[in-house]
Amino acid sequence: GESVGLHLPTLSVQEGDNSIINCAYSNSASDYFIWYKQESGKGPQFIIDIRSNMDKRQGQRVTVLLNKTVKHLSLQIAATQPGDSAVYFCAENPQGYKLSFGAGTTVTVRA
Amino acid sequence: NAGVTQTPKFQVLKTGQSMTLQCAQDMNHEYMSWYRQDPGMGLRLIHYSVGAGITDQGEVPNGYNVSRSTTEDFPLRLLSAAPSQTSVYFCASSDRDRVHGYTFGSGTRLTVV
Repeated sequence: GESVGLHLPTLSVQEGDNSIINCAYSNSASDYFIWYKQESGKGPQFIIDIRSNMDKRQGQRVTVLLNKTVKHLSLQIAATQPGDSAVYFCAENPQGYKLSFGAGTTVTVRA
Repeated sequence: NAGVTQTPKFQVLKTGQSMTLQCAQDMNHEYMSWYRQDPGMGLRLIHYSVGAGITDQGEVPNGYNVSRSTTEDFPLRLLSAAPSQTSVYFCASSDRDRVHGYTFGSGTRLTVV
């Protein structure tokens, strides 16, 4: 699969491959993190979340990894499909009522 | 359908006009917030509320007002529209324990000419 060590604004993935999207967060006090998917013309859609007392969480075809030491978050998508083409945002929640978003990564799936 | 409802979906304003963007949620969520999204950027927090009668400013509050008279509704008012407020606006809500993260509405695309 394809992965990016640092945050990149775009990621092109072959259909069927695994993809990894990286995100750095800024606030050491953040205790909750969310990955969102945003398709063109739509609002952000919740994919998966993780709390700071965990290092890894798995969902359907997605896994989120959290490294608090280096303040890094990643989203792994298994067997990427054309419907996964979208912009992916990570968000940190330093306080329960606020979300702080990263710049987003545009994922394009090649047939 | 449960969720966050935003109206209108599209709006064009002239500079200096005022308007209110509506946001309603039917999930009995305590937390509600407004974000704006500009091209190539992430979402930035405008205002937020932790419950009825309680609001506070986010990162980019200038030119916007909010109120929260009920748990369900959280309108965003543009006092005197400026071209710099051309953006897509999203409303979001969450329960206090963030059990399912934040739920977003489908957005209002605003153009100020």
